[in-house]
Amino acid sequence: DSGVTQTPKHLITATGQRVTLRCSPRSGDLSVYWYQQSLDQGLQFLIQYYNGEERAKGNILERFSAQQFPDLHSELNLSSLELGDSALYFCASSVEGVHTGELFFGEGSRLTVL
Amino acid sequence: QKEVEQDPGPLSVPEGAIVSLNCTYSNSAFQYFMWYRQYSRKGPELLMYTYSSGNKEDGRFTAQVDKSSKYISLFIRDSQPSDSATYLCAMSPFQGAQKLVFGQGTRLTINP
Repeated sequence: DSGVTQTPKHLITATGQRVTLRCSPRSGDLSVYWYQQSLDQGLQFLIQYYNGEERAKGNILERFSAQQFPDLHSELNLSSLELGDSALYFCASSVEGVHTGELFFGEGSRLTVL
Repeated sequence: QKEVEQDPGPLSVPEGAIVSLNCTYSNSAFQYFMWYRQYSRKGPELLMYTYSSGNKEDGRFTAQVDKSSKYISLFIRDSQPSDSATYLCAMSPFQGAQKLVFGQGTRLTINP
């Protein structure tokens, strides 16, 4: 158990809809990362938050947005969903000041868009 | 062309074999190299972390980085069925976990 909690584990929705994925990082970790994993693209970095502020952006679509709240949990909002958004969405957290490249991943939220 | 290329496999070997997993990359700015292991229905977990060129050994696992060839490898000695997982290489120009670029992952099965 990595200590990172993601909900929901599975989500099935229709095209055009909006969903929110939630992540609670490990206790004490200030950084939260969101990744998308699909069969054709692999694991792709979407966005990073550190202590409530956006720190780095990757290949995140404009239809997607994220935020980190004062209690450090984070939400990833996906809107105007398309079939191609079906994927496994991972949240990860890391310890600042420890330079090992170690991300602690949750078990992911599997999104299916029909 | 992707920044990091990794053969997705699948790769199937008998128990006890030496396994070699590889990635190539195109971005010469990458300085930090990692291998993550992902079991089915789980998130990836860090297995090895190396900086720049050279070898690093941890038990049955050895990570190699050849920056001149832009090529990294992970060797698993005396492979066990419990090593069956997907192995993802990852790399970054930055120290720490910022903006890691992952390979596609190689699905490995160790047969008893």
